[in-house]
Amino acid sequence: DGGITQSPKYLFRKEGQNVTLSCEQNLNHDAMYWYRQDPGQGLRLIYYSQIVNDFQKGDIAEGYSVSREKKESFPLTVTSAQKNPTAFYLCASSIPGQITYGYTFGSGTRLTVV
Amino acid sequence: GQNIDQPTEMTATEGAIVQINCTYQTSGFNGLFWYQQHAGEAPTFLSYNVLDGLEEKGRFSSFLSRSKGYSYLLLKELQMKDSASYLCAVMDSNYQLIWGAGTKLIIKP
Repeated sequence: DGGITQSPKYLFRKEGQNVTLSCEQNLNHDAMYWYRQDPGQGLRLIYYSQIVNDFQKGDIAEGYSVSREKKESFPLTVTSAQKNPTAFYLCASSIPGQITYGYTFGSGTRLTVV
Repeated sequence: GQNIDQPTEMTATEGAIVQINCTYQTSGFNGLFWYQQHAGEAPTFLSYNVLDGLEEKGRFSSFLSRSKGYSYLLLKELQMKDSASYLCAVMDSNYQLIWGAGTKLIIKP
């Protein structure tokens, strides 16, 4: 079955460390997105990519980095510059132009700074 | 700025009907989405409205009024498994989704 796989499901990071969250999809979707979800707030866009080797900053890109070397993969690195990284991170994908189907989401990674 | 408002929490009884409202102010409009999200899980797509009116899909219906910047999600014959957060999102003129904070729906027996 096609879908989006995020790993790990839970991740603990020490202050000052960089960590990378994995997102892989086999839906053949061109567009991929990273969102951050905090209690009481809507999903906030970190980065998005419409095609391979190209990506754009979202609303809260500071302290994060991404790469899009393959269509299937869109990893997110949370750097030590991100001052409050504890959150639930969601990866999503879509087919540009086919907006009626919405986005397909992965099951998320919960990152905690210890 | 862009803004989407929905109630923080609602409570309903199993077997009843509940309406979750969403109002929006965005830069352009390319459709409104409703998603369901169980705690700690991925949001799942429920509905998409781009024209005014009611879209019915089984126990769930979604309504849109573009002139009023208003939508609602109607859930009928509530079941315990409907306990979840319901997220309203609008696609703006840049085809980016703007999200509301979500409405946590609690179903009581």
